[in-house]
Amino acid sequence: AQTVTQSQPEMSVQEAETVTLSCTYDTSENNYYLFWYKQPPSRQMILVIRQEAYKQQNATENRFSVNFQKAAKSFSLKISDSQLGDTAMYFCAFMASFASAGDMRFGAGTRLTVKP
Amino acid sequence: NAGVTQTPKFRVLKTGQSMTLLCAQDMNHEYMYWYRQDPGMGLRLIHYSVGEGTTAKGEVPDGYNVSRLKKQNFLLGLESAAPSQTSVYFCASRNPLGGYSGANVLTFGAGSRLTVL
Repeated sequence: AQTVTQSQPEMSVQEAETVTLSCTYDTSENNYYLFWYKQPPSRQMILVIRQEAYKQQNATENRFSVNFQKAAKSFSLKISDSQLGDTAMYFCAFMASFASAGDMRFGAGTRLTVKP
Repeated sequence: NAGVTQTPKFRVLKTGQSMTLLCAQDMNHEYMYWYRQDPGMGLRLIHYSVGEGTTAKGEVPDGYNVSRLKKQNFLLGLESAAPSQTSVYFCASRNPLGGYSGANVLTFGAGSRLTVL
């Protein structure tokens, strides 16, 4: 079974600075998808960014980017120019393949606090 | 476009009581999911469905039942609630054929906080 590990339960960063959240995963699959979801205090789960394993290029979405290291099974999230609204729980998630309906795994989450 | 709607948002039960959480989606998604979220454990899959009339067990199915009689609805039932089922429950859905931008992306409801005394 696939596992997702987020080794940083809590992190903090000053507003406007850059922070990196770590995620590692374990799988024997070759084709899969990786995600970062954000959960603000409102509790709503929001997709931040997605990466397909077959793509070598790291995904970016505005201030959010990932460092995907397939061999190391690492998928970190970098948030640039941190804003107060980035304060949230961040979950890393793994989906084994397109056809695996139930095979999506989440990490335990990292609570990020952006300080003014 | 409402997306995924969960009802109720909050509920308090006594041990042994039963209840049903309702999830409704208006995106015509084939796949639907029920997760529970507990501190320090992320989201764990309870049950899921790949289409109307079908259900399957996830990681933590014990104590729960589900039904998907209509494509847009996915119900999660607790027949005899236990304090260990105190959690926040999330419903999610996805379209496996959603194209490059939509495939494999889960859309979540706002969550339902359940407390079992």
